[in-house]
Amino acid sequence: AQSVTQLGSHVSVSEGALVLLRCNYSSSVPPYLFWYVQYPNQGLQLLLKYTTGATLVKGINGFEAEFKKSETSFHLTKPSAHMSDAAEYFCAVSGNMDSNYQLIWGAGTKLIIKP
Amino acid sequence: EPEVTQTPSHQVTQMGQEVILRCVPISNHLYFYWYRQILGQKVEFLVSFYNNEISEKSEIFDDQFSVERPDGSNFTLKIRSTKLEDSAMYFCASRAGTSGGARNEQFFGPGTRLTVL
Repeated sequence: AQSVTQLGSHVSVSEGALVLLRCNYSSSVPPYLFWYVQYPNQGLQLLLKYTTGATLVKGINGFEAEFKKSETSFHLTKPSAHMSDAAEYFCAVSGNMDSNYQLIWGAGTKLIIKP
Repeated sequence: EPEVTQTPSHQVTQMGQEVILRCVPISNHLYFYWYRQILGQKVEFLVSFYNNEISEKSEIFDDQFSVERPDGSNFTLKIRSTKLEDSAMYFCASRAGTSGGARNEQFFGPGTRLTVL
């Protein structure tokens, strides 16, 4: 079975500071990993994904994440936070074709940006 | 850019009533999903649909739920007799399913907020 753990339901950083949102997963098959962002009262937007290949993946809005198999982690980072980054971020894992690539979600981390 | 659309954006209903949530997936996509997010909780998988049949469903997706692709473009989720605990945001997603790196990427609609009174 697959699962996702996001450490910290709320993370608060100052504008311009480093953003680090943590995600650990468990999966019995090679995982596909995703980060989604949800702005207030909006849907889910894909930030970035890891499927195969390069373990450091870059996404939209200056975010990136690194797949570390040995640590079963896929942490999301951004060098310099902007006020517009305030949102909720979800890490998700999907299996392979056998599971129809259904997504298993973490509980989400609300990112708060302090001016 | 193609996108998944959902209607209505907000549905209010009385407990025990039937509701139908509608989704229009991206036109050349082959796989369709419903997820829900109860307020303040994580997103949960409900069901996946391919080739006009359910391919997988979660424990949440009991006999009160059904899905249908009635006309080749719409993808609907029906809740026969709504309960208070069905109040949630419901997201539809679609996936191309073709070969290549994008085959496992799901594209989400904006969601329908269902409120059961």
